[in-house]
Amino acid sequence: GNSVTQMEGPVTLSEEAFLTINCTYTATGYPSLFWYVQYPGEGLQLLLKATKADDKGSNKGFEATYRKETTSFHLEKGSVQVSDSAVYFCARKTGTASKLTFGTGTRLQVTL
Amino acid sequence: DGGITQSPKYLFRKEGQNVTLSCEQNLNHDAMYWYRQDPGQGLRLIYYSQIVNDFQKGDIAEGYSVSREKKESFPLTVTSAQKNPTAFYLCASSRELAGAQYFGPGTRLLVL
Repeated sequence: GNSVTQMEGPVTLSEEAFLTINCTYTATGYPSLFWYVQYPGEGLQLLLKATKADDKGSNKGFEATYRKETTSFHLEKGSVQVSDSAVYFCARKTGTASKLTFGTGTRLQVTL
Repeated sequence: DGGITQSPKYLFRKEGQNVTLSCEQNLNHDAMYWYRQDPGQGLRLIYYSQIVNDFQKGDIAEGYSVSREKKESFPLTVTSAQKNPTAFYLCASSRELAGAQYFGPGTRLLVL
């Protein structure tokens, strides 16, 4: 079936550490892929997206590359800040399908 | 400023009561969506609407109803048939059905 799998959290890092949050997907075809971020008590914000293989989405120092061969869209950031503490959701959409399929989210905690 | 607003921020429901959650957008988006988020889980789609006066069931529509009388508005009613309504409800919109979705701040529904 069509699904999105994220690494379980929480992920705890010290400020300025390197971040990787893994995301893999299963789908027929070539889905558009998204990362969303949710700060405590708020809705989701679109962080970045990629619509075809080898595309790299980037925003606010975060990057993710659409890897068709490994069906992955891992989120990375070179140097995290305390303000990056949030829950990160990977999601996919396929063709003209109407809905996003979300992963279960990964909580990131960044400490001083 | 353009965006999506949801109200109220917190809502309390008594047993056997129907309650309605408001969602308004001024982004001129055609498509709108309602999701439910439970603790530690991803988002699940309740209903979506591609255009005014049209809407479709998502994955967990039972116990919910919607209307789309105006492009800007997509209210969700949680009926007494929904036996486990306590959750965080998120509204989203997109320019077209396959586009990136933008989320409101959410409404937290609690049962008294």
